Amino acid sequence: TQLLEQSPQFLSIQEGENLTVYCNSSSVFSSLQWYRQEPGEGPVLLVTVVTGGEVKKLKRLTFQFGDARKDSSLHITAAQPGDTGLYLCAGARNNAGNMLTFGGGTRLMVKP
Amino acid sequence: GAGVSQSPRYKVAKRGQDVALRCDPISGHVSLFWYQQALGQGPEFLTYFQNEAQLDKSGLPSDRFFAERPEGSVSTLKIQRTQQEDSAVYLCASGSGYNSPLHFGNGTRLTVT
Repeated sequence: TQLLEQSPQFLSIQEGENLTVYCNSSSVFSSLQWYRQEPGEGPVLLVTVVTGGEVKKLKRLTFQFGDARKDSSLHITAAQPGDTGLYLCAGARNNAGNMLTFGGGTRLMVKP
Repeated sequence: GAGVSQSPRYKVAKRGQDVALRCDPISGHVSLFWYQQALGQGPEFLTYFQNEAQLDKSGLPSDRFFAERPEGSVSTLKIQRTQQEDSAVYLCASGSGYNSPLHFGNGTRLTVT
């Protein structure tokens, strides 16, 4: 059972388009993390957001944590084929930030 | 090694067989987690170790699942009398401490036939 709902589940877009992935929950998390996972590999941490309302940018990726620390979004500008992968959000249930509950993931395909 | 190492990468077991999955965390990492990832899903928490102590095993699906980390480094996840619903990728992650990021291994893909 996923306490974090991610939408959309699947997204196929053309290179150069923008997209937003959402991560929603009814629970409050001490922090929220975004990961990217490629086939046959483990998830790789992209960013951690801690403060309600926080916005972090990582090149063409913008991450936002909701004011109530229950939801988050990931926006990608000018998507590239190299962005293809499974994007996972994970909420931390403890102050140490390592007891994670994962969402179901958004599978992104960027076509050249 | 530089990262978390898991072995075997792939395991095929007949229903009813026992399997053992190994995780070598990053040297010096005190926390170690096991997750189960079904096809097309996000990882689900199984169990957590701090050094050799198993602090949380609430995610283990049944008493057929057992994990240990006897010397606070290498961990083994054992599944007894495997069932088809156990088919999944089993991920191990380690961390160096409080508020430190988790580093995931590439997982073991278990297929039960």
